[in-house]
Amino acid sequence: NAGVMQNPRHLVRRRGQEARLRCSPMKGHSHVYWYRQLPEEGLKFMVYLQKENIIDESGMPKERFSAEFPKEGPSILRIQQVVRGDSAAYFCASSGARYNEQFFGPGTRLTVL
Amino acid sequence: QQQVKQSPQSLIVQKGGISIINCAYENTAFDYFPWYQQFPGKGPALLIAIRPDVSEKKEGRFTISFNKSAKQFSLHIMDSQPGDSATYFCAGTQGGSEKLVFGKGTKLTVNP
Repeated sequence: NAGVMQNPRHLVRRRGQEARLRCSPMKGHSHVYWYRQLPEEGLKFMVYLQKENIIDESGMPKERFSAEFPKEGPSILRIQQVVRGDSAAYFCASSGARYNEQFFGPGTRLTVL
Repeated sequence: QQQVKQSPQSLIVQKGGISIINCAYENTAFDYFPWYQQFPGKGPALLIAIRPDVSEKKEGRFTISFNKSAKQFSLHIMDSQPGDSATYFCAGTQGGSEKLVFGKGTKLTVNP
């Protein structure tokens, strides 16, 4: 039973480019969460999605960041016009229902040059 | 405020010793407190969790102690092993919210 999958594992972008991070939840899970981890920091909640719906985006920066979880396919976290401060590890988690345990993926490490 | 403060930032313990990591929270609405273990290059994995209606929960060598009046909780790792060397995060969340609010983490090193 495959766990949460994220790709790419490492992503390098130059300032001003777009970054697209993908997350495939565990089989049977329909709830997806994105967290960001800056160096030497804990994880910070960004957004919570269910299929085709954004439930809570209170942790998302107001500009340049967007997330989706389409009916088919993985969840996507998109960062437009990346800046050096976006360099971080981005983790996706999934759960089978609300208030259930969140299972984390291995993360995508984004480096902005 | 939805902060969770975690200490110490790093901890070195000898094999067989007891590792203790402490967390304090501010939001009295928090009702679920998990601990996550993270190895380098990996995602966090749930280790053990507690709800505030109990003061202690034990799973194998891992124990959470919870003090609701002080808004503090701690993780005790008994008989610490080199394989326990990892970063540990405490977190809290409140009913009706899916957001896990994490502490900044404690890097544990268990020397053989």
